[in-house]
Amino acid sequence: KAGVTQTPRYLIKTRGQQVTLSCSPISGHRSVSWYQQTPGQGLQFLFEYFSETQRNKGNFPGRFSGRQFSNSRSEMNVSTLELGDSALYLCASSLAEKGAQYFGPGTRLTVL
Amino acid sequence: AQSVTQPDIHITVSEGASLELRCNYSYGATPYLFWYVQSPGQGLQLLLKYFSGDTLVQGIKGFEAEFKRSQSSFNLRKPSVHWSDAAEYFCAVGAAGTGGFKTIFGAGTRLFVKA
Repeated sequence: KAGVTQTPRYLIKTRGQQVTLSCSPISGHRSVSWYQQTPGQGLQFLFEYFSETQRNKGNFPGRFSGRQFSNSRSEMNVSTLELGDSALYLCASSLAEKGAQYFGPGTRLTVL
Repeated sequence: AQSVTQPDIHITVSEGASLELRCNYSYGATPYLFWYVQSPGQGLQLLLKYFSGDTLVQGIKGFEAEFKRSQSSFNLRKPSVHWSDAAEYFCAVGAAGTGGFKTIFGAGTRLFVKA
């Protein structure tokens, strides 16, 4: 079974731009979570989607948004990029609400 | 509020030596517990998980962890470390709270392996 895939793997943007990241979960997994990982803040939870509905949200500004499609694929969008948004963005899928999460390789976003 | 503490930011062990990574959690009920490993530039890989039952859990790559309710701990162990085990290790707690079920990660422990 294929793992979680994320595209693109690397991205360079400038301040003020917006970006969209994509995540395809493991087949059959309906829960998709997004995390931001930085050296200073560690792994921080952004949001979780289940069956196209946002079920949980972390403490991030409204510039960070996401959505999930009927095939469970998910996208994350960041508008008006700031330098501090430079990070590794990880997507994880899960079969059940309380199950283990399976992570993709991440998208490395650099904001200049 | 739920929290996870990994007291050691980094640990260095010799190849072939035993390893124990510490993890303490704060949660009112029995949590769901996980250990993940992350190699540089990669995503996180699940090593093992504890939901209920036997408190000693076996995982992949020869790792095991023991849930100790009285100490609120879930320490990760390996009897003999290999150079390829050098990575960052994250303990995580899955717990129900306001807004639903969330997985909370510790800050991580970076493992260095010396020859």
